[in-house]
Amino acid sequence: GENVEQHPSTLSVQEGDSAVIKCTYSDSASNYFPWYKQELGKRPQLIIDIRSNVGEKKDQRIAVTLNKTAKHFSLHITETQPEDSAVYFCAASSGRGSTLGRLYFGRGTQLTVWP
Amino acid sequence: DTEVTQTPKHLVMGMTNKKSLKCEQHMGHRAMYWYKQKAKKPPELMFVYSYEKLSINESVPSRFSPECPNSSLLNLHLHALQPEDSALYLCASSPLGVDYGYTFGSGTRLTVV
Repeated sequence: GENVEQHPSTLSVQEGDSAVIKCTYSDSASNYFPWYKQELGKRPQLIIDIRSNVGEKKDQRIAVTLNKTAKHFSLHITETQPEDSAVYFCAASSGRGSTLGRLYFGRGTQLTVWP
Repeated sequence: DTEVTQTPKHLVMGMTNKKSLKCEQHMGHRAMYWYKQKAKKPPELMFVYSYEKLSINESVPSRFSPECPNSSLLNLHLHALQPEDSALYLCASSPLGVDYGYTFGSGTRLTVV
């Protein structure tokens, strides 16, 4: 099955700095890559996603890049704010066939933004 | 309605108890999922239902028994759980596959004593 690696496991930045979280995947059939933010005691919330036919996607301060050849994708957060502090999970899925509905998660990154 | 609703929000149960977790969505999603999540770990897939039929069972112990009575409802029946089963249990739904709007419920915080 798919194997998703995520780094770093913890990340501390000063407010206003940028944060980058990186993930690699193993299955070349994976074609959908969502990122989730999970605050303490809350549900994972989708913040951005990218499909394999796109190299980059932006939504205000958040961007995701995908390199299919190298099988890695990254989350970029600019102008970080204390409310960005949370655990971030990357995931990968082929979304088809026997793996329908299966999201493979990375191990998570605890992001702390200091004021 | 764009929510997945889970009840109860918190549950404490003894190892000999029988309880059920409930999940409901009215978005017309035909795929529904149960995940188990330990603190600061990623969600672990337990079961997937597609068109009300169980399509994936990730070798979950039989003390967890899923049920999908209709396209809007998903239950997880619990019996003879162990303390290590204490976790956040998340339900999710999606229209078809995960790339069409995968939505998590707020979860049930389960403590087994």
